[in-house]
Amino acid sequence: EVQLVESGGDLVQPGGSLRLSCAASGFTLSHYSMNWVRQAPGKGLEWVSYIGASSGSGAIYYADSVKGRFTISRDTAKNSLFLQMNSLRAEDTAVYYCARDWPDTHFDYWGQGTLVTVSS
Amino acid sequence: DVVMTQSPLSLPVTLGQPASISCRSSQSLIYSDGNTFLSWFQQRPGQSPRRLIYKVSNRDSGVPDRFSGSGSGTDFTLKISRVEAEDVGVYYCMQGTHWPPITFGQGTRLEIK
Repeated sequence: EVQLVESGGDLVQPGGSLRLSCAASGFTLSHYSMNWVRQAPGKGLEWVSYIGASSGSGAIYYADSVKGRFTISRDTAKNSLFLQMNSLRAEDTAVYYCARDWPDTHFDYWGQGTLVTVSS
Repeated sequence: DVVMTQSPLSLPVTLGQPASISCRSSQSLIYSDGNTFLSWFQQRPGQSPRRLIYKVSNRDSGVPDRFSGSGSGTDFTLKISRVEAEDVGVYYCMQGTHWPPITFGQGTRLEIK
């Protein structure tokens, strides 16, 4: 059974840093493209970042709103996806979900999400 | 960026009645290989999003057949043939043709009348 479990969300001050993790089970994460998607409280869904499968181009993309501040990565040995978030702003407050891509379609599986709150 | 516009944003429906949600994109979602990467997601209260439909009309595994997707180019529709209580939630369309960025509609909140 495919499972994605996010962790690492916390309350952090503006300008601070946080590292989110997404542990995968039931499949080999590096064989798939993966994404981070966020949802601000009471708001809609916003795509944040993408990392291509290691067997493919391994391309990495970011939304303009996080470019230069967030870094997506994965650890093959841990079968996990990460999101390093620096220079956090109040507008980064959201539930962050990791989501898997099935070849040529997006987001076939989602995790349960982890809450990041940026506030002083 | 491709803008996805859903309507209505709120949809009260009587149990057992049909429901329809429209999604329009700011440019055609037909990719150069002929595919159209338009998906629909359901988010029940307090839950993560769940994909219902991919590439316009393909139902994901386990999705009841009362859900159907249709459309082409820039106009797409999600239909529920007979609404059940478990269908309450917010529905999002999403385009994956012209990306990055992948973009979502604003969401349509379905409630029982």
